[in-house]
Amino acid sequence: AQSVSQHNHHVILSEAASLELGCNYSYGGTVNLFWYVQYPGQHLQLLLKYFSGDPLVKGIKGFEAEFIKSKFSFNLRKPSVQWSDTAEYFCAVNANTNAGKSTFGDGTTLTVKP
Amino acid sequence: ETGVTQSPTHLIKTRGQQVTLRCSSQSGHNTVSWYQQALGQGPQFIFQYYREEENGRGNFPPRFSGLQFPNYSSELNVNALELDDSALYLCASSLDRPTDTQYFGPGTRLTVL
Repeated sequence: AQSVSQHNHHVILSEAASLELGCNYSYGGTVNLFWYVQYPGQHLQLLLKYFSGDPLVKGIKGFEAEFIKSKFSFNLRKPSVQWSDTAEYFCAVNANTNAGKSTFGDGTTLTVKP
Repeated sequence: ETGVTQSPTHLIKTRGQQVTLRCSSQSGHNTVSWYQQALGQGPQFIFQYYREEENGRGNFPPRFSGLQFPNYSSELNVNALELDDSALYLCASSLDRPTDTQYFGPGTRLTVL
């Protein structure tokens, strides 16, 4: 079975600061990796995903994530955060199957101060 | 707008009762997944339905059951409710291909007293 660990439960940044949210997973086989975001009052939505190929994937709103297989990591980054990035961020993994059968981490709440 | 809808929005039940939650999938999607999200935790996979058949299940007891209808909408049924079943129940729809995105509904908040 897979598991996902998100190290930071709550991150507080000022606008224009750089962001990196950690995500590690445990599974020995081929994986698909995802970052989801939930803005206040909105549905959970996909930010970016990795299936294969270039380990650096770009998502919406200037976010990117890097898959490092040797470290079982898929960290999310953004060079300069905005107040509107305040949200909860979830990392998820599945064992090379459809996106619905995913294991999620417990989330990181990001607060960006204006 | 994701197109996935869930009903009801909120529900209060007592221990031992049964509950049915409903989900309408996004147009064209044949796969519905259900998740339980307890307070302060990430969504936990309950099960998935693909073309009216169960297509995978997480670590949940048999009192959690489901259905998918020919129009691909779905129900989640929970029997013999326990206090720990209090959570946000999320439904997500997608196609059954690894590269396809799943779209989440707003969830149903279940409180068991």
